[in-house]
Amino acid sequence: GAVVSQHPSWVICKSGTSVKIECRSLDFQATTMFWYRQFPKQSLMLMATSNEGSKATYEQGVEKDKFLINHASLTLSTLTVTSAHPEDSSFYICSARGQGAFSYEQYFGPGTRLTVT
Amino acid sequence: QKEVEQNSGPLSVPEGAIASLNCTYSDRGSQSFFWYRQYSGKSPELIMSIYSNGDKEDGRFTAQLNKASQYVSLLIRDSQPSDSATYLCAVIGGGFKTIFGAGTRLFVKA
Repeated sequence: GAVVSQHPSWVICKSGTSVKIECRSLDFQATTMFWYRQFPKQSLMLMATSNEGSKATYEQGVEKDKFLINHASLTLSTLTVTSAHPEDSSFYICSARGQGAFSYEQYFGPGTRLTVT
Repeated sequence: QKEVEQNSGPLSVPEGAIASLNCTYSDRGSQSFFWYRQYSGKSPELIMSIYSNGDKEDGRFTAQLNKASQYVSLLIRDSQPSDSATYLCAVIGGGFKTIFGAGTRLFVKA
């Protein structure tokens, strides 16, 4: 299967600061990347979908000015949580879907656990 | 009606038994179906994909698809304690968007 990496795997930051999370597809070109958030014992919640070179499409209720997404290349997408607050503490997971044989299957990164103090 | 529905469980089976996980979907035009496994505190892992009606087997896993009934299932044979996880059903519907079910928690008792 395809491999998606995510960095960092965990991060602790102070309230009011910004945090950037990187997501990379290591062995395929990801035409579409997805960012999810998951709170403990809850379902995956899709935050936004991004296509390479285009602006991200955000789900209803997700603040695009707070969660900045950049899909600059076919192998890299970044999520920046701006002015983070304790309620932003969560498990953030990226996912990628590619071309050809990878065009339907969606592969997940290992996730980033964010704690805002 | 939710687009992809799963019983939340927990589904509890003894070690060595067959675990049967079910999923229904509402978009009749859906063509691609997936099962993911998610261990507690980890991200989802793709374990099966199925695109045609019928059964697809991979090791101890069998995915079953019935498009007429809008139903997809996952059978896990010879269940092991290490299979204890949440299983997510996912469907690609209109607009090429992947819709995930809320997941079924499976507990395999040793």
